[in-house]
Amino acid sequence: DGGITQSPKYLFRKEGQNVTLSCEQNLNHDAMYWYRQDPGQGLRLIYYSQIVNDFQKGDIAEGYSVSREKKESFPLTVTSAQKNPTAFYLCASSPGSNQPQHFGDGTRLSIL
Amino acid sequence: AQTVTQSQPEMSVQEAETVTLSCTYDTSESNYYLFWYKQPPSRQMILVIRQEAYKQQNATENRFSVNFQKAAKSFSLKISDSQLGDTAMYFCAFMKWGPVLDDKIIFGKGTRLHILP
Repeated sequence: DGGITQSPKYLFRKEGQNVTLSCEQNLNHDAMYWYRQDPGQGLRLIYYSQIVNDFQKGDIAEGYSVSREKKESFPLTVTSAQKNPTAFYLCASSPGSNQPQHFGDGTRLSIL
Repeated sequence: AQTVTQSQPEMSVQEAETVTLSCTYDTSESNYYLFWYKQPPSRQMILVIRQEAYKQQNATENRFSVNFQKAAKSFSLKISDSQLGDTAMYFCAFMKWGPVLDDKIIFGKGTRLHILP
């Protein structure tokens, strides 16, 4: 079945560490997105990519980095510069322009 | 910049009742899409319904329908014959119709809906 796979489901980070969240899709979608969700809040866009080897900052990109070396993969690195990384992270993809996004099951990141 | 406002942080209704979730948005665009997404306790985001702004007819998907009032910039979601499985957080979302680089979705803060047995 086609879909979006995020791993791991739960992730713990020590202070000062970088961690990478995985997002893989086999839907052949061109566009991929990373969102952050805090308790009781809506989704905020971190980064998005419309095509391989290209990505754009979203509304809250500081402290995060991404890469898009392959169409099916869009990993998100939470760097030590992100001072409040505890949140639920959702990855999404869409076929392209003017299409709704499909979401993965999310990764919950916590700080030890 | 576009904004999406959901004025009801939380709602509760009895099973089998009809419930309406409110959403208003602000934009100067004339062509755009509106969505309702559902996020159950499993945290997965599921697309419930979509509406193209150029269509006057309100979108319907089984028990879910919308009341799209373009002039008023209102996009409410009606759930008929509500079921326990409808318990979830519901997000209203806006997407501008345009070039690929403008493909971002703007989400509201969500309405938490409880369906009571």
